[in-house]
Parts: sequence; structure tokens; C-alpha cells
Amino acid sequence: KAGVTQTPRYLIKTRGQQVTLSCSPISGHRSVSWYQQTPGQGLQFLFEYFSETQRNKGNFPGRFSGRQFSNSRSEMNVSTLELGDSALYLCASSLGGTGGFQETQYFGPGTRLLVL
Amino acid sequence: AQTVTQSQPEMSVQEAETVTLSCTYDTSESNYYLFWYKQPPSRQMILVIRQEAYKQQNATENRFSVNFQKAAKSFSLKISDSQLGDTAMYFCAFMKVIGAGNNRKLIWGLGTSLAVNP
Repeated sequence: KAGVTQTPRYLIKTRGQQVTLSCSPISGHRSVSWYQQTPGQGLQFLFEYFSETQRNKGNFPGRFSGRQFSNSRSEMNVSTLELGDSALYLCASSLGGTGGFQETQYFGPGTRLLVL
Repeated sequence: AQTVTQSQPEMSVQEAETVTLSCTYDTSESNYYLFWYKQPPSRQMILVIRQEAYKQQNATENRFSVNFQKAAKSFSLKISDSQLGDTAMYFCAFMKVIGAGNNRKLIWGLGTSLAVNP
């Protein structure tokens, strides 16, 4: 099976712009989670989507939003970019059911976002 | 609030030797999952090992094993016969149940940077 893929891999934007990141999960996985990784804060959970519905959300401002399509692919959007949004954004997929096997998350390579 | 602490920001080990990375967590829940992930310099996060809290037996995956002490809330990772390819950042993560149903959330430690030296 192909792994989790994320596009684009690198992105440079300026303050005030918006950006959309894409994530394609492992085939058969219905849950997609997004994380922000920075050197100072480590990995911070953004949100999780399951069957096109957001079922879990972290403590990020409303500028961060996401959605999931019927094929389980997910997009994350950040509006009105700030310098502090520069980070590696990781997407992870899982089967989405209950139990350790079902809930184990597998990660994509990430999208490196630089905000100037 | 649940927290995960990795007290060793950096560690190094000689090739073929054994190293143990520590992780402690704080939770009031009785059932949860614990994970170790590694992130090599290429940045792809890779699952190393998983432990269900209700299982007393320590998980093992080839050269990787854990020492799970539930009462002490400790979850250390032992790497035997270290290889150069083990050089990476290692993250300990705790899967928390949020409310009822299937809501889940991973809470992460800040990581331990492991260097395997030839």
C-alpha cells in the first residue's frame, strides 16, 4: 500500500496570504489528523477528520480550518498567515475505529511552510 | 491536563550498543495507548512501537522494546544493537480519549535526539 502523501512539500508565503495543504491517507484509512510541528512547541494537534466530519479539534485559532472529502483525502487551510505559522505541517491517517491497531496513526512526509 | 515528558533532550550511543530513552506521562485515565515514533533527518515520522495500557506485557518490535510501568506512569524505549540508521528524533506519545465515542488525540513529548556514532 502507498503511504500517506502530502502536497506540496515546501511552500513560501507572505504574511496575510492564505494557504491550502493537501493530504491523501493510506487506502482504507478513514481518519486524518493534522499536526503543527515547530522547534519550540513540538507537535501540536490541529484537528481530526473522520468520514468527512471534524470529530476532534485542538487549540488553534479559527484561521486554521480543514475538510475531508468522500475519498478521505483532506485539506487544511490557513487564512491570514502570520510569521508564527511557519512550521512543518504533518498529516497522519488511521483506520479510525477503536482499539490500538485501529487508532495507530501513520504520518506523511509533511509540508514545510515558511511565512515571510 | 495530560502531559508527556521526555527528560533527555539529546543522547548518543555507540553503534551496536544498547540505549534507553525515557518517557513519563501524567493521566488519570486507566485505559490509553502509548507510542514511540522516530523522525529521522528526512523528517518522515515513523511508528516504532505501540503499547496498550491494559496489557501488562511489554511490547517488542525486533531490536526495539519498551519498559512499561503503569503505576509509575513510565514508558521507556530500549534500542538494542544500535545501528547508524537509528539516528533520529524519538517522540513519545500518549493517546487520550476525549469524551465518549471515538474521539482520540495524541499528546506528544518534546522528543529526544538520538545520535548513533560509528
